[in-house]
Amino acid sequence: DVKVTQSSRYLVKRTGEKVFLECVQDMDHENMFWYRQDPGLGLRLIYFSYDVKMKEKGDIPEGYSVSREKKERFSLILESASTNQTSMYLCASTPFYGGSSSGNTIYFGEGSWLTVV
Amino acid sequence: ILNVEQSPQSLHVQEGDSTNFTCSFPSSNFYALHWYRWETAKSPEALFVMTLNGDEKKKGRISATLNTKEGYSYLYIKGSQPEDSATYLCASRMDSSYKLIFGSGTRLLVRP
Repeated sequence: DVKVTQSSRYLVKRTGEKVFLECVQDMDHENMFWYRQDPGLGLRLIYFSYDVKMKEKGDIPEGYSVSREKKERFSLILESASTNQTSMYLCASTPFYGGSSSGNTIYFGEGSWLTVV
Repeated sequence: ILNVEQSPQSLHVQEGDSTNFTCSFPSSNFYALHWYRWETAKSPEALFVMTLNGDEKKKGRISATLNTKEGYSYLYIKGSQPEDSATYLCASRMDSSYKLIFGSGTRLLVRP
């Protein structure tokens, strides 16, 4: 079974702190994603990476950066945490999307709940 | 950003009832439609990935249909059980990129 592991499940950080959320997958997937989930909204894509050291902005990248130094690990960084970044963050991975009708499944971690006070 | 809409937002049913939810998505540039089941404190679990108009998929008591021309998918649960209680998410892949656009989910509660 694919395993996507988010090492920090619950964090409380102070405004202005630098925050690292780590995600590791064990299936050699090329693509990795960071989403955030807020009440009443769908999962929103923050950043994704399709290869080591490659990254692309998603729909809501402001206030975030990412790092992918190794294929299995994708880190989300909040350079200076703010209260509006209090949310649940989901990491995901998937193998390479190929072809116009590819139906690759995305595999998710269990989420990291971040509270910024 | 193109919208994916799910309805209803929440649903309470009695054990044994059959139920269905709707996912609406833009029909242009359609690539794939994903359904996920998300239990509290767990990872979202993939149910179906559907790509062709008219697709019907089934997994136990859960099935889904896809209409890409009109831009909707239905998820059906036959004889709901308390363990079916979860949030059901749909997501649409609209182009050749890796991005999925998620709906806000339908929260199902099945009462014993």
